[in-house]
Amino acid sequence: QQQVKQSPQSLIVQKGGISIINCAYENTAFDYFPWYQQFPGKGPALLIAIRPDVSEKKEGRFTISFNKSAKQFSLHIMDSQPGDSATYFCAASIRGELTGGGNKLTFGTGTQLKVEL
Amino acid sequence: GAGVSQSPSNKVTEKGKDVELRCDPISGHTALYWYRQSLGQGLEFLIYFQGNSAPDKSGLPSDRFSAERTGGSVSTLTIQRTQQEDSAVYLCASSLWGTPDTQYFGPGTRLTVL
Repeated sequence: QQQVKQSPQSLIVQKGGISIINCAYENTAFDYFPWYQQFPGKGPALLIAIRPDVSEKKEGRFTISFNKSAKQFSLHIMDSQPGDSATYFCAASIRGELTGGGNKLTFGTGTQLKVEL
Repeated sequence: GAGVSQSPSNKVTEKGKDVELRCDPISGHTALYWYRQSLGQGLEFLIYFQGNSAPDKSGLPSDRFSAERTGGSVSTLTIQRTQQEDSAVYLCASSLWGTPDTQYFGPGTRLTVL
């Protein structure tokens, strides 16, 4: 059972355009929703995250929109740049779920973003 | 400062052999996670360590997988009698106690089982 569904699988955007990646989740107990950015040969790096008590969070060119009733959240990259070309993963977790207090991140399958000049 | 390091970066092995993958977390991070990233899939949680406490092994896919953490720092993931379906990138992450939200990932070990 895939608890976090991500779309699209791949995305091509022109430089300066808006990139939008969507995720939907099933488990209403999730209380933390991060987005990770991964470049080839590197591990994922935390980009931006949101908790369900707010509907939007913005950090620079990156914005998360969150719709609790629809169980959906999305990443918007404004003014997309070639340097943004990477794989993006959404994830969800329940804070402290793991024995010892850790967060088990449940990931989407990733979106390969390519920003063209 | 140094990030999470993993070794080897690549490992090719034959079916049936045992392999050991190593993770060095960020200094001072008491929490350590192992995830697996299979081709075309998202990351899948395997195991979690917090300090010297007993690990949360709820994500291990079979009893061929095990992990240990020595001295609350370095961790080793062992896969016994490897199978072709074990081929994946194995990622390690660490975080500070009390801040489980922010996990810092290493570059991973790419395991190929022939």
